[in-house]
Amino acid sequence: DADVTQTPRNRITKTGKRIMLECSQTKGHDRMYWYRQDPGLGLRLIYYSFDVKDINKGEISDGYSVSRQAQAKFSLSLESAIPNQTALYFCATSDFRDATVGYTFGSGTRLTVV
Amino acid sequence: KQEVTQIPAALSVPEGENLVLNCSFTDSAIYNLQWFRQDPGKGLTSLLLIQSSQREQTSGRLNASLDKSSGRSTLYIAASQPGDSATYLCAVALTDSWGKLQFGAGTQVVVTP
Repeated sequence: DADVTQTPRNRITKTGKRIMLECSQTKGHDRMYWYRQDPGLGLRLIYYSFDVKDINKGEISDGYSVSRQAQAKFSLSLESAIPNQTALYFCATSDFRDATVGYTFGSGTRLTVV
Repeated sequence: KQEVTQIPAALSVPEGENLVLNCSFTDSAIYNLQWFRQDPGKGLTSLLLIQSSQREQTSGRLNASLDKSSGRSTLYIAASQPGDSATYLCAVALTDSWGKLQFGAGTQVVVTP
């Protein structure tokens, strides 16, 4: 099994629908992140969590919400999807206590909002 | 705010040539720097991580250097192969950013047989 698992891998949804992207990890890392990737814009941070009780907004959090259900699970919700949220979404983990440990990324969720 | 720049944006080389990919950053107070590889439409695969106290890291044909004073990191890929074709991303974590990564836009590499 992958260290960081994202579901679904692909999703097409209609404008206005609520959708949830899920992420689970087996790395035992304390920190989890959601990024989105758009052509020409690179990767941008949506939300990050340092532990179950700590949730922080990233640079592009508007229109998104998150939930850290457990140390290993971090989900991203689009409350009312809009077409410009069409992108590739990545979940990542890290262990900031250890500088030798970098980020581990999931395989991504390709979301299309029509 | 940390700015991370990767030059060139795209690179095409014949098989067997060495690849040199550059990454520059504006804030030298880094926690670590990580190089990733991304195949089209796929996830990010970590290649090398250099801690703030290190000058370089090596893994097989890959070597990454770090010069904090000049705000630069270079990824060298020796004897390139068509399978090295991908986008390479540099990402920097600052000491005061609580581990958040700032990414460069990437260098798209094509290795022709």
